[in-house]
Amino acid sequence: DTGVSQDPRHKITKRGQNVTFRCDPISEHNRLYWYRQTLGQGPEFLTYFQNEAQLEKSRLLSDRFSAERPKGSFSTLEIQRTEQGDSAMYLCASSLLGNSGNTIYFGEGSWLTVV
Amino acid sequence: AQTVTQSQPEMSVQEAETVTLSCTYDTSESDYYLFWYKQPPSRQMILVIRQEAYKQQNATENRFSVNFQKAAKSFSLKISDSQLGDAAMYFCAYRSGGGATNKLIFGTGTLLAVQP
Repeated sequence: DTGVSQDPRHKITKRGQNVTFRCDPISEHNRLYWYRQTLGQGPEFLTYFQNEAQLEKSRLLSDRFSAERPKGSFSTLEIQRTEQGDSAMYLCASSLLGNSGNTIYFGEGSWLTVV
Repeated sequence: AQTVTQSQPEMSVQEAETVTLSCTYDTSESDYYLFWYKQPPSRQMILVIRQEAYKQQNATENRFSVNFQKAAKSFSLKISDSQLGDAAMYFCAYRSGGGATNKLIFGTGTLLAVQP
């Protein structure tokens, strides 16, 4: 069990460019979550998947954001036409439906800086 | 909507001493879970302790324990025998039970410093 892994760990991009983050959950975890965290704040929920189905999306997830989990394993989060306000850490997490309390395990996050 | 409030932006404790971090929440639900997560400088969020709302007994994990006051909607974390490795940002989080949603709602965090 290698934990939740995220790639890249850091990304600097120019405003207007598209970026994509990848998340590999703990193997056999069927639930996968994306959160966004800005400095001095707690993480804010963006979206979650159960297997390949995207079951819940936050209002924070504007139409420039899209998340996929095509085969129910890894997931990608794409941000199109990035804005400076998108600068944040994007956290991925996973859990196993049915385990005790559905404990959620987080990755180390992907830092995005939009210049 | 549910909210989580952590009123202590920063706390400090001497090594080997005890410190309590506060958390209050607001909800109209009766079935929910509460969590404390630790986020060290490496930034990976680590689960410290969890509490099911239907359990009256306070959860304990080694040096970490909670004081869960359901009527007061309070969920404080006590760290005993504080160690230098306990220095981190601590987040209180809420999750609805029943499976209707799986999102965690976080407070703004408390930065804990441990003095040698």
